[in-house]
Amino acid sequence: AQTVTQSQPEMSVQEAETVTLSCTYDTSESDYYLFWYKQPPSRQMILVIRQEAYKQQNATENRFSVNFQKAAKSFSLKISDSQLGDAAMYFCAYRSPDSNYQLIWGAGTKLIIKP
Amino acid sequence: AAGVIQSPRHLIKEKRETATLKCYPIPRHDTVYWYQQGPGQDPQFLISFYEKMQSDKGSIPDRFSAQQFSDYHSELNMSSLELGDSALYFCASSLGGQHMNTEAFFGQGTRLTVV
Repeated sequence: AQTVTQSQPEMSVQEAETVTLSCTYDTSESDYYLFWYKQPPSRQMILVIRQEAYKQQNATENRFSVNFQKAAKSFSLKISDSQLGDAAMYFCAYRSPDSNYQLIWGAGTKLIIKP
Repeated sequence: AAGVIQSPRHLIKEKRETATLKCYPIPRHDTVYWYQQGPGQDPQFLISFYEKMQSDKGSIPDRFSAQQFSDYHSELNMSSLELGDSALYFCASSLGGQHMNTEAFFGQGTRLTVV
């Protein structure tokens, strides 16, 4: 069965600095997709970035980038130049045909931004 | 752009009552997912539908049922409500089948409070 693990319940970073949130997953599939979702205090679930497993190049979206290590089954999120608005819960998620396309979620990491 | 619409946004029910939550997916999305998120927890998958058929079932109690209609909107019916059912209920939609690389878009959620 697929599992997603986020080992950091909470992280804090100084505004304008860089922080990395970790995520590991377990799967026997070769074709799958990984996502990072952000959930601010409003509780809205917002997609931050996604990565296709068949792509070797790490996905980037402005200040957000991932370090995708397929062999190690690791999918960390790097946030550069952290801003106060980045404060939220961040969830790592996995999706594949083997999971019937449903998202398998990690437990989340609470990111605190210190002004 | 149209997003996933959930109604109602907030709902207060008494124990043993019933509740119906509605989800209107993004136009042309054929897959709907329901998630339950308790306070401080990650989203728990309840059930999903693809092309109006149930595609997967998660930790949905027997007291709950759901369906997807011909216009692809979905309803989650909850009966014999218990205090522990108080949570944020998310609906997400996506393109399913071979389009699993597409992201799941989330609605803003329905906050259910059982008193």
